[in-house]
Amino acid sequence: GENVEQHPSTLSVQEGDSAVIKCTYSDSASNYFPWYKQELGKGPQLIIDIRSNVGEKKDQRIAVTLNKTAKHFSLHITETQPEDSAVYFCAASGTYKYIFGTGTRLKVLA
Amino acid sequence: KAGVTQTPRYLIKTRGQQVTLSCSPISGHRSVSWYQQTPGQGLQFLFEYFSETQRNKGNFPGRFSGRQFSNSRSEMNVSTLELGDSALYLCASRFQGGATNEKLFFGSGTQLSVL
Repeated sequence: GENVEQHPSTLSVQEGDSAVIKCTYSDSASNYFPWYKQELGKGPQLIIDIRSNVGEKKDQRIAVTLNKTAKHFSLHITETQPEDSAVYFCAASGTYKYIFGTGTRLKVLA
Repeated sequence: KAGVTQTPRYLIKTRGQQVTLSCSPISGHRSVSWYQQTPGQGLQFLFEYFSETQRNKGNFPGRFSGRQFSNSRSEMNVSTLELGDSALYLCASRFQGGATNEKLFFGSGTQLSVL
């Protein structure tokens, strides 16, 4: 069935370093790839997204890349800060349906 | 605009009981979907409603049901609760501004504990 694999499950980086989270999807019909950040006690918050007709998108310290041929997409966070510590989820969406990765717990060490 | 509102925030129930959770989407959003979040399973899709009709359904037993009202508010019901139903239940409101302008927004969730 359709699934999204997300790696790593946990990631610790020093403040100021970069963090990269990778996802692989299986459904060729997927054309929309959002990333969510979930802080403790809150619902997931959309932080950036990319559509299948674009290879890369950047928003300040956050960027997402998409390789449709390989069915890979990645989240890049530069100059990490303690407030970036959270669980990050990737998702792949086709018609109406969203499949989520299992999440990456990012810890930014001060 | 107000965000997605879920009530109640916390619920404690015992096995065998039933529970109803409520979700009010962002104003103007007509699609509401529900997800179950557990530490081991991540975000699992339950179902989606659009204009009062169930448009999509995940792989959950019939004890999990939902509905959507004409004002787009949605309720989710779980009957005959089991210990394994303990989870954070998230509601998501979908904005569809055309094929290239869709976004999904989540509420803060209802934390259900089954004792």
